[in-house]
Amino acid sequence: QQKVQQSPESLIVPEGGMASLNCTSSDRNVDYFWWYRQHSGKSPKMLMSIFSNGEKEEGRFTVHLNKASLHTSLHIRDSQPSDSALYLCAASKDMGYKLTFGTGTSLLVDP
Amino acid sequence: EAAVTQSPRNKVTVTGGNVTLSCRQTNSHNYMYWYRQDTGHGLRLIHYSYGAGNLQIGDVPDGYKATRTTQEDFFLLLELASPSQTSLYFCASAPGAGNQAPLFGEGTRLSVL
Repeated sequence: QQKVQQSPESLIVPEGGMASLNCTSSDRNVDYFWWYRQHSGKSPKMLMSIFSNGEKEEGRFTVHLNKASLHTSLHIRDSQPSDSALYLCAASKDMGYKLTFGTGTSLLVDP
Repeated sequence: EAAVTQSPRNKVTVTGGNVTLSCRQTNSHNYMYWYRQDTGHGLRLIHYSYGAGNLQIGDVPDGYKATRTTQEDFFLLLELASPSQTSLYFCASAPGAGNQAPLFGEGTRLSVL
């Protein structure tokens, strides 16, 4: 069973719209969460990280973390066609040394 | 600029063949990782290392060996390749301090016929 669950599996949003992606860990020992973005045919690139309860914003991207429920979400506002990619959530028990990944959410931004 | 270089980028072998995938990082990172990526499974950790001569077992190690010969070089060995090992393989490195997530190489696509 996947220890990091992501939803939805795929998502289509119109250009300029808001995309919301979810991720939950079933391992209660995790403390750190990362979001990676992987464009087709490329390697994963770290997008954002969050380690404390609350919210973190970087440009059009916002991540939330609720450590009690081990749930994180990524929100992309004003979505652009270049945001079309596979978004991977990862969790670890320590500072990034052994990441467990979810299966990803495939985002398509429709121009 | 931080970099992780994998070779070869593509490899085709036959069932029962020997394959070695290479990874080099020039970032002075302590940690190196081998992942495989398959549709429906995401990225799964095969082996990882804390430094030269160190090896740690990941989540899907069966059928794979790894060796970290230097700080920079991490190899993944498939000694009797099987079709189930057809996959996209990624190497990654991380500094081992601070909050920097692993940096990935560009991947090696392996086909076992």
